Amino acid sequence: SQKIEQNSEALNIQEGKTATLTCNYTNYSPAYLQWYRQDPGRGPVFLLLIRENEKEKRKERLKVTFDTTLKQSLFHITASQPADSATYLCALLEGGYSTLTFGKGTMLLVSP
Amino acid sequence: DVKVTQSSRYLVKRTGEKVFLECVQDMDHENMFWYRQDPGLGLRLIYFSYDVKMKEKGDIPEGYSVSREKKERFSLILESASTNQTSMYLCASSPSGRASYEQFFGPGTRLTVL
Repeated sequence: SQKIEQNSEALNIQEGKTATLTCNYTNYSPAYLQWYRQDPGRGPVFLLLIRENEKEKRKERLKVTFDTTLKQSLFHITASQPADSATYLCALLEGGYSTLTFGKGTMLLVSP
Repeated sequence: DVKVTQSSRYLVKRTGEKVFLECVQDMDHENMFWYRQDPGLGLRLIYFSYDVKMKEKGDIPEGYSVSREKKERFSLILESASTNQTSMYLCASSPSGRASYEQFFGPGTRLTVL
């Protein structure tokens, strides 16, 4: 069966360190993989998209990698800040479809 | 600033009531979506629409219907609300024809069915 797995346990890190979040998938062939940020009680906000033929994408302090062999995406936040504390969701889009399938998200807590 | 708005942030209804959740976007997007989000289950797609008067079932359409009479407005209807429909409901929109298909979400409606 199809599965998207994100670490259900919260990730706690110290301010200034790099946070790395993982998204693994099974039985998907995603054309695109997206990352969203969600704050408590709010809707998700789009952060980054990476295509199947791209290995890495960067935007300011954010970096996403996509390994279709390992069926995994890593999401990095460098020089993390307490304001980065939120839940981060990955979402897959398979070729030919326009609906996203979301992972359950990983909560990130950045301590001062 | 692009916007997706939802009619209520919080709603309390009784079992058996008919419930309407409204979503409006000002971005002229073709695609609109309704999700529900529950702890431990994540975001699940209820219905979506590619155009006016068009609708497609998502992963969990049972107990819900939708209406899209105008491009900017997408309504989710609970014909007879039940307690297991207590949830956070999120509306989203995206432009068609764009390869990115990034979705823009509204703030959500937290529905409680008593």
